[in-house]
Amino acid sequence: DAGVIQSPRHEVTEMGQEVTLRCKPISGHNSLFWYRQTMMRGLELLIYFNNNVPIDDSGMPEDRFSAKMPNASFSTLKIQPSEPRDSAVYFCASSLGVGNQPQHFGDGTRLSIL
Amino acid sequence: AQTVTQSQPEMSVQEAETVTLSCTYDTSENNYYLFWYKQPPSRQMILVIRQEAYKQQNATENRFSVNFQKAAKSFSLKISDSQLGDTAMYFCAFIDSNYQLIWGAGTKLIIKP
Repeated sequence: DAGVIQSPRHEVTEMGQEVTLRCKPISGHNSLFWYRQTMMRGLELLIYFNNNVPIDDSGMPEDRFSAKMPNASFSTLKIQPSEPRDSAVYFCASSLGVGNQPQHFGDGTRLSIL
Repeated sequence: AQTVTQSQPEMSVQEAETVTLSCTYDTSENNYYLFWYKQPPSRQMILVIRQEAYKQQNATENRFSVNFQKAAKSFSLKISDSQLGDTAMYFCAFIDSNYQLIWGAGTKLIIKP
């Protein structure tokens, strides 16, 4: 079975550029989560969707970050404009339901903003 | 506020030894789920084991088992017959009433040959 697929695996771009991270959840999963992992702050939940609807975006750091889920099989996390402090590993995870089901993670996108 | 604490930033054991990673948490809820996730150098996040708080029996998955002490709010992970492939960051996590995972800071586990 295909797991959660994230692209790209690595992204290096200059400050001020727009960055788009992509995620394909596991087929049949109806909850999708975006996380950011840094050495300083560990794993942080940015936003999660249930049935394609954003439920809680309180973790989104600021207006430069936006996330969409146009259908059950695709989500994007966009940063515009990007800043060096956005450098981190971004994980997408999906689960069957929002309840106590385990979340399955993608391989992550390592983002470096120069 | 609900918190998860992993007090061991790093541990190192010899291959084939047994190692226990500690995790404590704080919550006022009675029903919840606890997880251990593994993150090897490849950076993937892999679910290792899950424990339901209403179950008294400790969860086991092959060489991985937990010691769940609900009253003490403790959820340690035991890895038996450790293997080189067990080298990874291990994260303890708790699902709160809003269905969000609350993470510990992680323990870096190194298995030495």
